[in-house]
Amino acid sequence: GQQLNQSPQSMFIQEGEDVSMNCTSSSIFNTWLWYKQDPGEGPVLLIALYKAGELTSNGRLTAQFGITRKDSFLNISASIPSDVGIYFCAGQTTNFGNEKLTFGTGTRLTIIP
Amino acid sequence: NAGVTQTPKFRVLKTGQSMTLLCAQDMNHEYMYWYRQDPGMGLRLIHYSVGEGTTAKGEVPDGYNVSRLKKQNFLLGLESAAPSQTSVYFCASGGLQGSSGANVLTFGAGSRLTVL
Repeated sequence: GQQLNQSPQSMFIQEGEDVSMNCTSSSIFNTWLWYKQDPGEGPVLLIALYKAGELTSNGRLTAQFGITRKDSFLNISASIPSDVGIYFCAGQTTNFGNEKLTFGTGTRLTIIP
Repeated sequence: NAGVTQTPKFRVLKTGQSMTLLCAQDMNHEYMYWYRQDPGMGLRLIHYSVGEGTTAKGEVPDGYNVSRLKKQNFLLGLESAAPSQTSVYFCASGGLQGSSGANVLTFGAGSRLTVL
């Protein structure tokens, strides 16, 4: 089946630093999604990308849908303590009647005091 | 605005026992899913449903059964629990978003299951 490689697996940064993470796929996706999971909670959608090359922002978060449709990037600027959590990328191949997401393994973000 | 509600939040079982996890959504979504989350493995799809009365296998369906008798509910059953099924289980629901066909999911808060 499809696999998503997400990197890095974990990040340890200081408050105020910028963060970059990416996701690569062995096959093409038509939609890329980025979710964040806080401790003890379910993932919550951050950004959805629908077209190759698309660049979308949500506050301090910016995500891009790669031109090849096999990768996506998420950047967080000026990190703050509430950014701590696990970030998941997810890809979808549009296939009506069989809509499934494939999730990456996650990037765990920790902010060092 | 409950969204997706999972019950129970925590459960401890002995090997061989059975149990059912309940997921309820109030967003009138057609699609519902059950995922399990294990350390370093991300989210893996167990079973899913594309509408009331339908179910389909996901990536890791063995040892689980599901039912979708009502549109708003999706039940995940373990007939004979095994220690390998110790995990955090997430239910999600989704609906197609406009012409793009993208399926944006809303997740529940999770159910932590321990099998001894």
